Amino acid sequence: GESVGLHLPTLSVQEGDNSIINCAYSNSASDYFIWYKQESGKGPQFIIDIRSNMDKRQGQRVTVLLNKTVKHLSLQIAATQPGDSAVYFCAESSANFGNEKLTFGTGTRLTIIP
Amino acid sequence: ETGVTQTPRHLVMGMTNKKSLKCEQHLGHNAMYWYKQSAKKPLELMFVYNFKEQTENNSVPSRFSPECPNSSHLFLHLHTLQPEDSALYLCASSPRRGQLSFGQGTRLTVV
Repeated sequence: GESVGLHLPTLSVQEGDNSIINCAYSNSASDYFIWYKQESGKGPQFIIDIRSNMDKRQGQRVTVLLNKTVKHLSLQIAATQPGDSAVYFCAESSANFGNEKLTFGTGTRLTIIP
Repeated sequence: ETGVTQTPRHLVMGMTNKKSLKCEQHLGHNAMYWYKQSAKKPLELMFVYNFKEQTENNSVPSRFSPECPNSSHLFLHLHTLQPEDSALYLCASSPRRGQLSFGQGTRLTVV
């Protein structure tokens, strides 16, 4: 089956620094990508998404970059804060499915060091 | 608040018990999902309902039985579970295409 992988299971960043979380995917037909944040004891929370007709999208303090050539996705968080500590998941899906059938990665645990 | 509410938040059940998980969404979405989240594993899709019709059963054992009486409610009926079924069970909803909104999950422990 298709897989979505993350390069690092854990990442520690000094408060105020920028962080980059990477994700690789294998399905060439994937056309929709999402980043989720999951804090302890909570369900995944949507952060930002991007469709395959774009290579960059910005939100508040977050930027998602998509490189379809190498099937790579990244999430950049600017000026990290303690509240950014969480597990971050990337997910992908393709237009083959009538509804979203997201394939999730295993997640990267981001720890912000005060 | 994500607009998706799951109850109970925590559940401990014996292997011979029967229990149900409940999910309710207030977002007007047409699709609802059950996911299983185990430690150090990707989220596993279990079931998908689209306008109350089941459109996906991801080879889930029959001891898990979903029910979707309407587009806003989703249940997961549990019976004769095994200890390895202990996990966080997440409900989500979505429009036809677009981001999934997740509930807080039910932490299930099978003893």
